[in-house]
Amino acid sequence: DTEVTQTPKHLVMGMTNKKSLKCEQHMGHRAMYWYKQKAKKPPELMFVYSYEKLSINESVPSRFSPECPNSSLLNLHLHALQPEDSALYLCASSRRAGTSHEQFFGPGTRLTVL
Amino acid sequence: TQLLEQSPQFLSIQEGENLTVYCNSSSVFSSLQWYRQEPGEGPVLLVTVVTGGEVKKLKRLTFQFGDARKDSSLHITAAQPGDTGLYLCAGRDAGGTSYGKLTFGQGTILTVHP
Repeated sequence: DTEVTQTPKHLVMGMTNKKSLKCEQHMGHRAMYWYKQKAKKPPELMFVYSYEKLSINESVPSRFSPECPNSSLLNLHLHALQPEDSALYLCASSRRAGTSHEQFFGPGTRLTVL
Repeated sequence: TQLLEQSPQFLSIQEGENLTVYCNSSSVFSSLQWYRQEPGEGPVLLVTVVTGGEVKKLKRLTFQFGDARKDSSLHITAAQPGDTGLYLCAGRDAGGTSYGKLTFGQGTILTVHP
């Protein structure tokens, strides 16, 4: 099973809303990632979790708050977003971070901020 | 900062034609991954190349890793409309300090016309 699942598939929110994106994998991977992707551009790394600990934050604004409750789950909490935050948000996982292990991506959440 | 230059950025061809996509860098990568992404979906891993000079084949797709592990190519033979999508190369730093970060190329948008 090489599946990473993400919910919801689509999300529309106002600038004052609070919402969360969810990601799950059952491959026993100990590294999980959040990426942001604009149309026809490559994914941009936001956060890396390794063994449930935040190891990389790519200077992401505090209106994005990641959480890793356990080794299978990764959340991204959203608050007071801006219209320019509208994008495809991708979750990925790999066996370990910092090595040559492959990253597997989920289908993404299409976020629209009004 | 590592860079991966991917070319061409856009490719529009007729069904049955052959094509090659290139990824080049001045940096050495421990591995390089190729992904294909359809609109609104997450990137799907096609292949990982690890050894300099390595050639891998996936049906009509041939992937090559340069001898010095600084460049890679993807060749598609007899392209089909189902090959249409965004192709991304992504390299992992050979220095071992990247902690899971991938360096993405800018992507190649391939359109295969029937």
